[in-house]
Amino acid sequence: QVQLVHSGAEVKKPGASVKVSCKASGYTFTGYFMHWVRQAPGQGLEWMGRINPNSGDTNYAQEFQGRVTMTRDTSISTAYMDLSRLRSDDTAVYYCAREPGAGYFDFWGQGTLVTVSS
Amino acid sequence: EIVLTQSPATLSLSPGERATLSCGASQSVSSSSLAWYQQKPGLAPRLLIYDVSSRATGIPDRFSGSGSGTDFTLTISRLEPEDFAVYYCQQYGTSPRTFGQGTRVEIK
Repeated sequence: QVQLVHSGAEVKKPGASVKVSCKASGYTFTGYFMHWVRQAPGQGLEWMGRINPNSGDTNYAQEFQGRVTMTRDTSISTAYMDLSRLRSDDTAVYYCAREPGAGYFDFWGQGTLVTVSS
Repeated sequence: EIVLTQSPATLSLSPGERATLSCGASQSVSSSSLAWYQQKPGLAPRLLIYDVSSRATGIPDRFSGSGSGTDFTLTISRLEPEDFAVYYCQQYGTSPRTFGQGTRVEIK
């Protein structure tokens, strides 16, 4: 069965960086785009970008350009999202989500809570 | 970017009633590229509907989607206790992918 398992919660200070991982299992990791979506406390869903695990090609939402880097390690079927220059409004749950090819997301990880606080 | 506006923000209904959720787009959503997700507290979203009206694997047939262009609807024919949750629409025809702000379906 498809599973996406996130790394644990993080607490960071403003200006720091955070790297969240998402380990995939139950399918061919390189066969599906992986997206990152975040959700601030009590708020809606915000798309951050995606990576093609096969090629490593990425597309980022304009809001995060210059601050986000998405990478992958195909040897361990893991995707990573690195967000730099953290601000308090980056406090959110960060989800990875698999795209089965048409643009929607059929499986989601359990999410990683990132708290940015001085 | 395409802005999705969901209405109402909150829907108060009783189990067994019909729920009708709306999602309006600021411009036409291309290629019927609209999905609906359900989210319960503390959990990740779950895909319900894709391509406007196709149910995802394992989704009961009381959930149905319809619409085209800029107006879309998610209908839950008879609410079950487990259906009380927040619902989001998402368009994926145009980058960036965008989500609506959500409709909360609560028990009346």
